[in-house]
Amino acid sequence: KNQVEQSPQSLIILEGKNCTLQCNYTVSPFSNLRWYKQDTGRGPVSLTIMTFSENTKSNGRYTATLDADTKQSSLHITASQLSDSASYICVVSRSSNTGKLIFGQGTTLQVKP
Amino acid sequence: GAVVSQHPSWVICKSGTSVKIECRSLDFQATTMFWYRQFPKQSLMLMATSNEGSKATYEQGVEKDKFLINHASLTLSTLTVTSAHPEDSSFYICSNGALSGRVGDEQYFGPGTRLTVT
Repeated sequence: KNQVEQSPQSLIILEGKNCTLQCNYTVSPFSNLRWYKQDTGRGPVSLTIMTFSENTKSNGRYTATLDADTKQSSLHITASQLSDSASYICVVSRSSNTGKLIFGQGTTLQVKP
Repeated sequence: GAVVSQHPSWVICKSGTSVKIECRSLDFQATTMFWYRQFPKQSLMLMATSNEGSKATYEQGVEKDKFLINHASLTLSTLTVTSAHPEDSSFYICSNGALSGRVGDEQYFGPGTRLTVT
């Protein structure tokens, strides 16, 4: 069964601290893995997209890693800011042209001052 | 990146009435658009794939006669919730994407529409 699981479910950190979110997937065949940030009451916004050949990709203070062998990905946030408070969703795309994405449940991050 | 807009951003309607939600791809000709539903504290669930000029493809368990989708142009798809019930209250999000599953084929999401059925 094609699934995407994220951990932790929620996380609270202090402003300025770093954090790492985890994503495990069982999607096959694998095409690419995406991390999205979703603010409350808004649509998701893309942070990174990685194919199986990419191990790491950065977008500002966000760095995503991918281990296609173990089917694990992580999103590392450096020097967190209050505006980082949001839900972070790991999304995997299968090798097809249907356009369907498989979503994780998301990790809710709260950054406190 | 491509910009996707939705209208309205929120709507309250009475049970039994119909509500239309518009999704516009402002700077990208989208042959394919997707409609998602998101309940509180849950992730997005794909409802249907909207194809320009043809019938939408619905996911299992989604009633096509209740959620009417029209994709009449490359920049506009509409979702009509017919005979709405309180359990239809949710956050509806659309996205655009010409193709998917391939590197560079990004899906851009709209800001969402909050539907509350009383």
